[in-house]
Amino acid sequence: SYEVTQPLSVSVPLGQTATITCEGDKIRTRSVHWYQQKPGQAPVLVIYRDSNRPSGVPERFSASNSGNTATLTISTVQAEDEADFHCQVWGGRIVVFGGGTKLT
Amino acid sequence: QITLKESGPTLMKPTQTLTLTCTFSGFSLSTSGVGVGWIRQPPGQALEWLALIYWNDDERYSPSLESRLTITKDTSKGQVVLTMTSVDPGDTATYYCAHARGSEESYFDYWGPGTPVTVSS
Repeated sequence: SYEVTQPLSVSVPLGQTATITCEGDKIRTRSVHWYQQKPGQAPVLVIYRDSNRPSGVPERFSASNSGNTATLTISTVQAEDEADFHCQVWGGRIVVFGGGTKLT
Repeated sequence: QITLKESGPTLMKPTQTLTLTCTFSGFSLSTSGVGVGWIRQPPGQALEWLALIYWNDDERYSPSLESRLTITKDTSKGQVVLTMTSVDPGDTATYYCAHARGSEESYFDYWGPGTPVTVSS
């Protein structure tokens, strides 16, 4: 079965750029979706189909997908961005979530 | 405006059957490219996808739980029901339902607030 791996945590100073990765074999051939989840809340879609931002998501959220790594980038990180981030792909007929990355 | 809300028991005993209902509005499950999925999250752990049903009755299940899960839809009522048999403490989690968009490599663009389920003797 297909698996994706995320770092457990990423720490970045306010105002700097955060990079969160999602690794999987030839992940470039799959669409990657990203969710932000704040404590006690449901996940929120922030990126769909590799690099598309839903309406209402700040422009500082961007993403790419190449080779074996998909990357979520948050530029000029703000305090409100602190959360868990989850990547999601499809492995054949099933949904696969990464283990989640805590951004502090 | 798309909204979803989960409902069901908050406390279960081992071996019981869990039935969760997702009541939604703002979309129809008869519209092409639309689905509703169930995802759970044990305390302090990652998201785990459970099942998904599409507008065309296509059902998908997590391989590790497939033998215990059944997902059904009632389009006229705006509901999707997930049934899980033989629960045990490892099924303790917050359960979410979510609107799935796209017939290929769907993503979940709207989520319910989640409902906590505890399994304990």
